Amino acid sequence: KQEVTQIPAALSVPEGENLVLNCSFTDSAIYNLQWFRQDPGKGLTSLLLIQSSQREQTSGRLNASLDKSSGRSTLYIAASQPGDSATYLCAVETSGGSYIPTFGRGTSLIVHP
Amino acid sequence: GAGVSQSPSNKVTEKGKDVELRCDPISGHTALYWYRQRLGQGLEFLIYFQGNSAPDKSGLPSDRFSAERTGESVSTLTIQRTQQEDSAVYLCASSLFVGATNEKLFFGSGTQLSVL
Repeated sequence: KQEVTQIPAALSVPEGENLVLNCSFTDSAIYNLQWFRQDPGKGLTSLLLIQSSQREQTSGRLNASLDKSSGRSTLYIAASQPGDSATYLCAVETSGGSYIPTFGRGTSLIVHP
Repeated sequence: GAGVSQSPSNKVTEKGKDVELRCDPISGHTALYWYRQRLGQGLEFLIYFQGNSAPDKSGLPSDRFSAERTGESVSTLTIQRTQQEDSAVYLCASSLFVGATNEKLFFGSGTQLSVL
């Protein structure tokens, strides 16, 4: 059974810092890995999707990397801003037919001015 | 529609009552998922529909929970004889189809269920 772990659980940083959020998974046979953002009281918004054949994806100040063999992904946020404050979740879709994304518990990020 | 729509956004009910939650996926999306998120917890998979195939119900926590979907349209999640432990945000997500490595999930804003 796929298990997804996110570290740290919470993070508070001053504006302008570069951040790294970590996601690890136990079964490396994956279709893809997605990073999501969740604002309080809202649903999830997909930020980046990395296919199993890819090593990284970039969108603006966000960069996500994937190392399937070690079961790890990182989300890099450059020059953090207060508007980046949210919970960030990663989800892994495992190969083998179930097609059910498994989520980590998220990293709660606060960026203070 | 433009996005995944869920209703109601909030539902307060008394213990023992039945509730019905609705999800309207993005038009043309064949895959639809229900997840539950308890306060401070991660997303817990409940059930998944793919087109006209039999749904994967492996995540439903008890026989009080059921869900339906007709074709590729609206889905309803029904919780019978609600318990306080059912209090959570119920999230619905859809994707164009499954089995492709580049298919993103799109989520609704969720239904906050409170069982008193």
